[in-house]
Amino acid sequence: QKEVEQNSGPLSVPEGAIASLNCTYSDRGSQSFFWYRQYSGKSPELIMSIYSNGDKEDGRFTAQLNKASQYVSLLIRDSQPSDSATYLCAVIEGYSTLTFGKGTMLLVSP
Amino acid sequence: GAGVSQSPSNKVTEKGKDVELRCDPISGHTALYWYRQRLGQGLEFLIYFQGNSAPDKSGLPSDRFSAERTGESVSTLTIQRTQQEDSAVYLCASSLLLDSGNTIYFGEGSWLTVV
Repeated sequence: QKEVEQNSGPLSVPEGAIASLNCTYSDRGSQSFFWYRQYSGKSPELIMSIYSNGDKEDGRFTAQLNKASQYVSLLIRDSQPSDSATYLCAVIEGYSTLTFGKGTMLLVSP
Repeated sequence: GAGVSQSPSNKVTEKGKDVELRCDPISGHTALYWYRQRLGQGLEFLIYFQGNSAPDKSGLPSDRFSAERTGESVSTLTIQRTQQEDSAVYLCASSLLLDSGNTIYFGEGSWLTVV
């Protein structure tokens, strides 16, 4: 049974701070990792994908992957109130389906 | 099309009635997925299609649920004899290939309310 674990939160940070979102996964064969953002009442939208160990940066977002520890994280720099949403970690292994964590709610206060 | 399109966007139905939910994937995407998300909950995988085939139907919650895909394009998720616990948003997604390197894109969902 593949599992993707996230802290449900809410994670509260002040505007301008760094928000750190974490995710662990159970399947060592997992190869692709994704972070989705979901606003209330909306469908998930892709923020970042990462496939190799290390960091991947895109604007204010940095995804970090450590396959040995089965750990993936998302850092949001200079957090804005508009970043307030639920962040979903998702994992896929080869020819398989995307398994989602239950998401972490992020609240950025002005 | 430009994105994954789902219809209806909202559906209110009486308990016991059948409903059909439709998904039009992004043009050229061979892989298609259905997820369910109950209010305040995470995404629950239902079924995926590679082309018109669904290799794994184990995610479907019960035999009241079925799905098909034709022409490697449109997919329909059918729920028979709906129950109140079926109330959720049903999300369809597609990707170019069923492969670890392909990004999966979601539609806006079909919000189902069973009364």
